[in-house]
Amino acid sequence: DADVTQTPRNRITKTGKRIMLECSQTKGHDRMYWYRQDPGLGLRLIYYSFDVKDINKGEISDGYSVSRQAQAKFSLSLESAIPNQTALYFCATSDLSDSGVYEQYFGPGTRLTVT
Amino acid sequence: SQKIEQNSEALNIQEGKTATLTCNYTNYSPAYLQWYRQDPGRGPVFLLLIRENEKEKRKERLKVTFDTTLKQSLFHITASQPADSATYLCALSTTGNQFYFGTGTSLTVIP
Repeated sequence: DADVTQTPRNRITKTGKRIMLECSQTKGHDRMYWYRQDPGLGLRLIYYSFDVKDINKGEISDGYSVSRQAQAKFSLSLESAIPNQTALYFCATSDLSDSGVYEQYFGPGTRLTVT
Repeated sequence: SQKIEQNSEALNIQEGKTATLTCNYTNYSPAYLQWYRQDPGRGPVFLLLIRENEKEKRKERLKVTFDTTLKQSLFHITASQPADSATYLCALSTTGNQFYFGTGTSLTVIP
């Protein structure tokens, strides 16, 4: 089984709808992240959480919210989806490596289309 | 704000040659720089990390350099193989906690 899973893998929704993307991990890592990836813009950080009680905004948090339900679960919500939120969304976890820096492990991604 | 630039044009090389990818940055003084590989439809996979006080790091056929004066990192794949074809991303951080990613360079190794 994959260490970092995301559901759904693909989603098409309409403008104005509320949608939740879910991420689960079996790696036992405390740190979890949500990114979006757009052609020509690369990966951009939306929110991150260093433990269950710690939630932080990233570069582009407007229009998004998150919930850290447990160490293993981190959900991303779009309260009222708009077309420019169409993108590939990745969840990632990280842990301190032997090199002393937090390496990130990414999920398979969720392709979201807002029409 | 910080800006991270990677070769926007795809790189095509012959099998067996060395591929060299570039990551340039401005308005930033990262302490750590990572390289990731991303295959189509999949999440990035961590490859290598280099710190600001390290000039070079190697792992098997991979070599990364980090020049803080030029504000540049070079990523080399020696004896390239078709299986090395992918998009390669660089990511920078000052603290090692949050990383900012470049847009990636697409590499195709031609048999």
